Amino acid sequence: DADVTQTPRNRITKTGKRIMLECSQTKGHDRMYWYRQDPGLGLRLIYYSFDVKDINKGEISDGYSVSRQAQAKFSLSLESAIPNQTALYFCATSDFTGTGSDHEQFFGPGTRLTVL
Amino acid sequence: AQSVTQLGSHVSVSEGALVLLRCNYSSSVPPYLFWYVQYPNQGLQLLLKYTSAATLVKGINGFEAEFKKSETSFHLTKPSAHMSDAAEYFCAVSKETSGSRLTFGEGTQLTVNP
Repeated sequence: DADVTQTPRNRITKTGKRIMLECSQTKGHDRMYWYRQDPGLGLRLIYYSFDVKDINKGEISDGYSVSRQAQAKFSLSLESAIPNQTALYFCATSDFTGTGSDHEQFFGPGTRLTVL
Repeated sequence: AQSVTQLGSHVSVSEGALVLLRCNYSSSVPPYLFWYVQYPNQGLQLLLKYTSAATLVKGINGFEAEFKKSETSFHLTKPSAHMSDAAEYFCAVSKETSGSRLTFGEGTQLTVNP
């Protein structure tokens, strides 16, 4: 019973194509995040959203856009994909309780994107 | 700005040996610290977290970590490695004023040899 799901799990596309990666969660969390993982670089934050009307850029937002369609859904788009966007993409969620536990994030299984 | 440094991108141990994965952080305010594990072809799973309670934190699968403010460290240890511990491990830091955003280290790939 996955709490955070991502679709597709794998995608191969060509340079210049528009791509959308989708994330859904059943945890009831308000906060959602998109990261990309590259070997030797760890995870880097692309965008994050603290509620449906709140969307913020992360450290590497150029070339990406997001949409928060509902509390449970957060999509990442690559308007015109380029080869250096080839990476593993993760969606994550976190709760808001006003305690340190808010900073714990729960991750989806990832989407492996290859841009040729 | 906060940052995290993991010393050693690859660590190799024998089965039954001590596991020590190093993490140092920089933060201008008291941090929240996390260790996540990533098994092959899977997402990240929380191993343990420090959120300003006890400085010695015990996690799942026999792992523990100690927050040492004077050394700005949060090293991960396990007394006896098991083959199933082979995975990539990430240290991450957050702080009260970052709005729950995490900054991750580069990751350490742990290999366990029979």
